[in-house]
Amino acid sequence: DQQVKQNSPSLSVQEGRISILNCDYTNSMFDYFLWYKKYPAEGPTFLISISSIKDKNEDGRFTVFLNKSAKHLSLHIVPSQPGDSAVYFCAASPSIIQGAQKLVFGQGTRLTINP
Amino acid sequence: EAQVTQNPRYLITVTGKKLTVTCSQNMNHEYMSWYRQDPGLGLRQIYYSMNVEVTDKGDVPEGYKVSRKEKRNFPLILESPSPNQTSLYFCASSFHAGNQPQHFGDGTRLSIL
Repeated sequence: DQQVKQNSPSLSVQEGRISILNCDYTNSMFDYFLWYKKYPAEGPTFLISISSIKDKNEDGRFTVFLNKSAKHLSLHIVPSQPGDSAVYFCAASPSIIQGAQKLVFGQGTRLTINP
Repeated sequence: EAQVTQNPRYLITVTGKKLTVTCSQNMNHEYMSWYRQDPGLGLRQIYYSMNVEVTDKGDVPEGYKVSRKEKRNFPLILESPSPNQTSLYFCASSFHAGNQPQHFGDGTRLSIL
C-alpha cells in the first residue's frame, strides 16, 4: 500500500523552462512534507519542505505547493538548469504525536533537463 | 565536514553469510534510520533509533537487526542474508525525529547471491 505516490517515473524539460514534479498521498495524518534530490552514487539530499499549516514554501528557484484537500503536493523548479537533472523523491511524515519517526517516500521521478 | 558515513559502499556476498553495514554520523544527531531503495518502490524504512539504546521497527524490518550502543553509530546487521535483500541501503540521521530533514549517507549496494 503506497501511501505516497509519484505517478510519473520520468520527466524531460527544456533548460530555462519550468519543471513541475507531482506527488499524491493518502494518509491524512501526514503533517510534514519534504522533497529530496538524488544524484547517481550519492545519497538523497534535502531540497525543500513544507508544513501542513502552509500551502506554499519558496526557496530560490524551488517552490513547493501543498493542496491538503486534494492530498497533493508539487515541486516547481524555475528556471530549470542542467544541474537539476536528478531523481526527485517526495516524502511525508505524520505529526510528532502520530509517530513522526516514520518518513514515507514516494517512488521517485527522474528529471532530465535538456540543453 | 558534517556527514553520514556508510561502509562498505559495495558488497557482493553469498546467502547465509552474516554481514554488517556500518553507519556513523558526526553531527551529534539523536535520530538515525536505515532505508532500502528498490526500483519502483522508492525508499522504505527498515529500522530507526530515537536515541542510544532506543530502536524500533520501520516498515520492512524482516531479516535485519540493528543496535545503537553509541550515539554516533547505527550498524545494520544481516544475520543470514538472502537474495531478496539485494538492494541499495541508506543510513540517515537528524537531530530529532519529527519535522526536520534527515541527512543521508551515500549508500551501500549489497548483492546477495
